[in-house]
Amino acid sequence: GENVEQHPSTLSVQEGDSAVIKCTYSDSASNYFPWYKQELGKRPQLIIDIRSNVGEKKDQRIAVTLNKTAKHFSLHITETQPEDSAVYFCAASGYGGSQGNLIFGKGTKLSVKP
Amino acid sequence: SQTIHQWPATLVQPVGSPLSLECTVEGTSNPNLYWYRQAAGRGLQLLFYSVGIGQISSEVPQNLSASRPQDRQFILSSKKLLLSDSGFYLCAWKLAGVTGELFFGEGSRLTVL
Repeated sequence: GENVEQHPSTLSVQEGDSAVIKCTYSDSASNYFPWYKQELGKRPQLIIDIRSNVGEKKDQRIAVTLNKTAKHFSLHITETQPEDSAVYFCAASGYGGSQGNLIFGKGTKLSVKP
Repeated sequence: SQTIHQWPATLVQPVGSPLSLECTVEGTSNPNLYWYRQAAGRGLQLLFYSVGIGQISSEVPQNLSASRPQDRQFILSSKKLLLSDSGFYLCAWKLAGVTGELFFGEGSRLTVL
């Protein structure tokens, strides 16, 4: 089955700096790669996602890149703000059956210092 | 619009006691339903998923079980809790047959003493 590795596990940046979180996946059939943000004590919420037919997607200060050949994808946050502090999860899934289930990385705790 | 609710929000139970967490989805039909566990504030581990009433698939062997008695109801149970069952349990749903966003419930924090 799919296995998703995520790093770093913790990341501390100064407000205004950029943050990059990287993930690798094992199943070459995976075709959907979302990123979730989880604030303390709350539910994870989708912030951006990318499908395998796209190499990069951007939404304001957040961007995701995908390298299918290398089987890795990354989250980029520019001009970080204190409210970006949270745990971020990457995930991967494919088509149908158990392959359609999202498998998550272990998360990255991002701290943005004012 | 679709909503998902799970309860109770917090639960403190002694070792060996039973468990029942419930989740319901509104505003959609025949969703895929999921139970995830998050231990020690990290890592979302898929426990069970269901593609229809009475259809349950388990991803990891464990002390827990799941049931789907109705289309939009998903229940997580245990007959006898272990200390290692402590964690943050999240119910989730997504549209069947498509790859796309997973919507999470508010979560249930279980502490086994």
